[in-house]
Amino acid sequence: GESVGLHLPTLSVQEGDNSIINCAYSNSASDYFIWYKQESGKGPQFIIDIRSNMDKRQGQRVTVLLNKTVKHLSLQIAATQPGDSAVYFCAESRGGSYIPTFGRGTSLIVHP
Amino acid sequence: GAVVSQHPSRVICKSGTSVKIECRSLDFQATTMFWYRQFPKQSLMLMATSNEGSKATYEQGVEKDKFLINHASLTLSTLTVTSAHPEDSSFYICSASRQNTEAFFGQGTRLTVV
Repeated sequence: GESVGLHLPTLSVQEGDNSIINCAYSNSASDYFIWYKQESGKGPQFIIDIRSNMDKRQGQRVTVLLNKTVKHLSLQIAATQPGDSAVYFCAESRGGSYIPTFGRGTSLIVHP
Repeated sequence: GAVVSQHPSRVICKSGTSVKIECRSLDFQATTMFWYRQFPKQSLMLMATSNEGSKATYEQGVEKDKFLINHASLTLSTLTVTSAHPEDSSFYICSASRQNTEAFFGQGTRLTVV
């Protein structure tokens, strides 16, 4: 069925390194994508979003890349810090519904 | 970003009792609110979508008589888990959105049924 999925369940990096978290989606009708960060015992926190008419968007230390040809989304975190340790979810929605469908999640572990 | 408050953050209840969870949008009027359920080390699964003043739309497999949702105002939605059982123990998360904007999430409620 249609789904949003992640390639890596766990990613371990050293403090200061750049992190890349990947996500694949299967529904070509998806037109809005969001990355969320979820710390243990808390709700998801919005990080950055991108619409399907763009292929790159940058925020503070984060960049989202969208490749519609292969239905792939990535989140790049520059100079990763211990406070970035969390589970990261990509989510997709379509047709202006803004109802996010969440992918599996990747646990990012940052070692000091 | 907008603030969504969820209460309580943790609740323990006895099997067979009902539990109510509140979700409030503190600084905006939420035309739509969503309820999610999350098991440990798993993703968020959408349970239902509610619009103010109308009945909630439940996802397939979610029992509407088990999970009662009320969205009586533009700033408050409640989820009541009726006759809770241990298998209902989970992390429940709400989110709220204004018209045509992204959803903002509450901090979640950890429900433990004993």
